[in-house]
Amino acid sequence: EAGVAQSPRYKIIEKRQSVAFWCNPISGHATLYWYQQILGQGPKLLIQFQNNGVVDDSQLPKDRFSAERLKGVDSTLKIQPAKLEDSAVYLCASSLDRGIGNTIYFGEGSWLTVV
Amino acid sequence: AQSVTQPDIHITVSEGASLELRCNYSYGATPYLFWYVQSPGQGLQLLLKYFSGDTLVQGIKGFEAEFKRSQSSFNLRKPSVHWSDAAEYFCAVRGNTPLVFGKGTRLSVIA
Repeated sequence: EAGVAQSPRYKIIEKRQSVAFWCNPISGHATLYWYQQILGQGPKLLIQFQNNGVVDDSQLPKDRFSAERLKGVDSTLKIQPAKLEDSAVYLCASSLDRGIGNTIYFGEGSWLTVV
Repeated sequence: AQSVTQPDIHITVSEGASLELRCNYSYGATPYLFWYVQSPGQGLQLLLKYFSGDTLVQGIKGFEAEFKRSQSSFNLRKPSVHWSDAAEYFCAVRGNTPLVFGKGTRLSVIA
């Protein structure tokens, strides 16, 4: 079974530039998550989708971050304009459904450095 | 809201020695608890999870964890550490929101 796929794996941009990360969840998984992991910290939830609808985006900095999952499968996370503090690993994850008993599977992450 | 505390930022153990990583959680109801491992440059891999029932749960790679409600703890253990276990370990709790993680414990293994 293929896992959660993310791209690009690594990205270096200058502050005020924009960047986009792509995620393809495990086939059949209705729930998709984006987490931000800053160096030395645990992952923090940015946004949760159920199919193509947003369930929770309370921790997403909406002035610069946006995310979409238009067809309920792939998802894109965009940052515009980027700040130095956005340097982090962006982890995409998916689960079969949003029920509490469903295991959440993570991709390998997209590593962003803002200089 | 739920939260997780991992008191140890970095632990070093000798290969073959036993290991215990500490995790304390805060959640008003029965928690769903997880341990994930992250190797350098990799994503998070699920080691084990506790939902209910037996408070001692077995996971992959020879790891186990014990849920102690009275201590609000979910410590991870392994009887004999291998060099390949060197990684970052995250405890997480799931309640009314998706996973909330601790800050992680970095494990170094020396010969």
